[in-house]
Amino acid sequence: GESVGLHLPTLSVQEGDNSIINCAYSNSASDYFIWYKQESGKGPQFIIDIRSNMDKRQGQRVTVLLNKTVKHLSLQIAATQPGDSAVYFCAEKTGGGNKLTFGTGTQLKVEL
Amino acid sequence: GAGVSQSPSNKVTEKGKDVELRCDPISGHTALYWYRQSLGQGLEFLIYFQGNSAPDKSGLPSDRFSAERTGGSVSTLTIQRTQQEDSAVYLCASSLPDVLAGGEQYFGPGTRLTVT
Repeated sequence: GESVGLHLPTLSVQEGDNSIINCAYSNSASDYFIWYKQESGKGPQFIIDIRSNMDKRQGQRVTVLLNKTVKHLSLQIAATQPGDSAVYFCAEKTGGGNKLTFGTGTQLKVEL
Repeated sequence: GAGVSQSPSNKVTEKGKDVELRCDPISGHTALYWYRQSLGQGLEFLIYFQGNSAPDKSGLPSDRFSAERTGGSVSTLTIQRTQQEDSAVYLCASSLPDVLAGGEQYFGPGTRLTVT
């Protein structure tokens, strides 16, 4: 069946290092992907998105890479800061409508 | 406020009782979504409203769950005869009609439901 999953449930990085959070998806028909950040006790917050006709998109300190050949999505955070500590979810949209399928999340811990 | 709001923020109920959770979307957002998030888990899609179209109810786990959206704005998620496995955070999100045209989903803070 369709699924979106994450390779690493927990990622610990040193402050100032770059973080890479990975996501595998199984539906090759998915045409849109989003990364969300969820801090404790809050709802998910949009970080960055990418359409399937792109392989890279950059934001402020974040980059999303899409490899459709192996159905892999990654989120890169440059110069990770303590405020980046959160759970990160990837999500995919397949077909018409706006319904998203979310992965299980990766906990990012930034160590001082 | 400018964001999605949900109420109550916390709800404790006894098994077998009915509960209603409320969501106020961002003004002008025609799409509204409900998700359920169990502890340490991802988001499970429940239901999606888009304008005046029939809602997509494909994610509702049982007939004890229902949702309404009145006047294209406020939505209420109702859980009847609550069970302990219904305990979770219920998240609401809203968006512009087309997710591919800047219509990313904006989430509320959620309602934490505990069924005792």
